[in-house]
Amino acid sequence: GENVEQHPSTLSVQEGDSAVIKCTYSDSASNYFPWYKQELGKRPQLIIDIRSNVGEKKDQRIAVTLNKTAKHFSLHITETQPEDSAVYFCAASSASKIIFGSGTRLSIRP
Amino acid sequence: GAGVSQSPSNKVTEKGKDVELRCDPISGHTALYWYRQSLGQGLEFLIYFQGNSAPDKSGLPSDRFSAERTGGSVSTLTIQRTQQEDSAVYLCASSSRQQSNYGYTFGSGTRLTVV
Repeated sequence: GENVEQHPSTLSVQEGDSAVIKCTYSDSASNYFPWYKQELGKRPQLIIDIRSNVGEKKDQRIAVTLNKTAKHFSLHITETQPEDSAVYFCAASSASKIIFGSGTRLSIRP
Repeated sequence: GAGVSQSPSNKVTEKGKDVELRCDPISGHTALYWYRQSLGQGLEFLIYFQGNSAPDKSGLPSDRFSAERTGGSVSTLTIQRTQQEDSAVYLCASSSRQQSNYGYTFGSGTRLTVV
């Protein structure tokens, strides 16, 4: 079955700097890669996703890249703000379910 | 409904007791998923429903765990003879698509504490 690894587990960046979270997946049949943000005590919320037929997708300060050959995908947050502090989960999906990475706790230093 | 609704929001139970957790998905969503999140951990897949059938129940950790879905809507996750390691937040999600390659909408979860 699918296995998703996520790094780093914790990340602290200065406000205004960029943050990058990286994931790898194992199942070459996976074709959908969502990213979820979970604030403390709240439910995970979808922030951006990418499908296997594209290599990059951007939405304002957030971008995702996908390298299908290497089975890598990454989340990039630019011009970080305090409200970006949260746990971020990458995930990969083929048919029946989405498998999540272990999460990255992102802290934004003022 | 407007979102995925889960009940109860919190449940404290004694070790050995049975518990039932309920999920009411977004109206019209055919796919329903249960995940478990232990404190500070990631999201562990438990079971997937398409309509009333469960084509993938590979994540259920033991035969003490079972789930059903009726009328293509509400789902109940049952944990029998609860153990302390069952303590976690149980999250339900639903999707309008038959395949999981579209984003889920999660409920707020049920925080289960086994004492």
